[in-house]
Amino acid sequence: DTEVTQTPKHLVMGMTNKKSLKCEQHMGHRAMYWYKQKAKKPPELMFVYSYEKLSINESVPSRFSPECPNSSLLNLHLHALQPEDSALYLCASSQDWGNTEAFFGQGTRLTVV
Amino acid sequence: QKEVEQNSGPLSVPEGAIASLNCTYSDRGSQSFFWYRQYSGKSPELIMSIYSNGDKEDGRFTAQLNKASQYVSLLIRDSQPSDSATYLCAVNRSNYQLIWGAGTKLIIKP
Repeated sequence: DTEVTQTPKHLVMGMTNKKSLKCEQHMGHRAMYWYKQKAKKPPELMFVYSYEKLSINESVPSRFSPECPNSSLLNLHLHALQPEDSALYLCASSQDWGNTEAFFGQGTRLTVV
Repeated sequence: QKEVEQNSGPLSVPEGAIASLNCTYSDRGSQSFFWYRQYSGKSPELIMSIYSNGDKEDGRFTAQLNKASQYVSLLIRDSQPSDSATYLCAVNRSNYQLIWGAGTKLIIKP
């Protein structure tokens, strides 16, 4: 089973809203990631959690706040976003942070209005 | 120079032919290499990983790695219209960060 589940699939939010994206994996992976992808661009790393601890924050604005409640779950809290934050948000997991295969969820298509 | 380079395409290949996708990288300490397929509007799907020099085959897909030349490729045999997608090359740098190429758009013509 190489499934990573993301909810919701689509989200439209206003610039004053607060919303959360959720990600779950049951593969026993110890590393989880949030990526942002704009059209016709490769995925852009936002955050890496390794063993439930934030390992990498790629200078992401504070309006994006990650959370890892346990080894299977990863959340991305959104607050006061801008229209340019509209993108496909991807969660991924891998056995470890390092030279291992990463598997992606189906993504959340976010539109900020 | 980008860390991971791919020809953006589109690469147009007749159905049934071999599609050849190429990727070069700059960090000589890179240890692992991945090919992802991404359909429009969908998430990336891992199709091949390769860690040592040489060829690795999985069904119609063959990944080739040449660390001396800093080159990794993906061959798709008997190309099908369903193979039409963007193919992303991803490379783990020596510091374990995964660096992505910009992707090559592949079009298989019936």
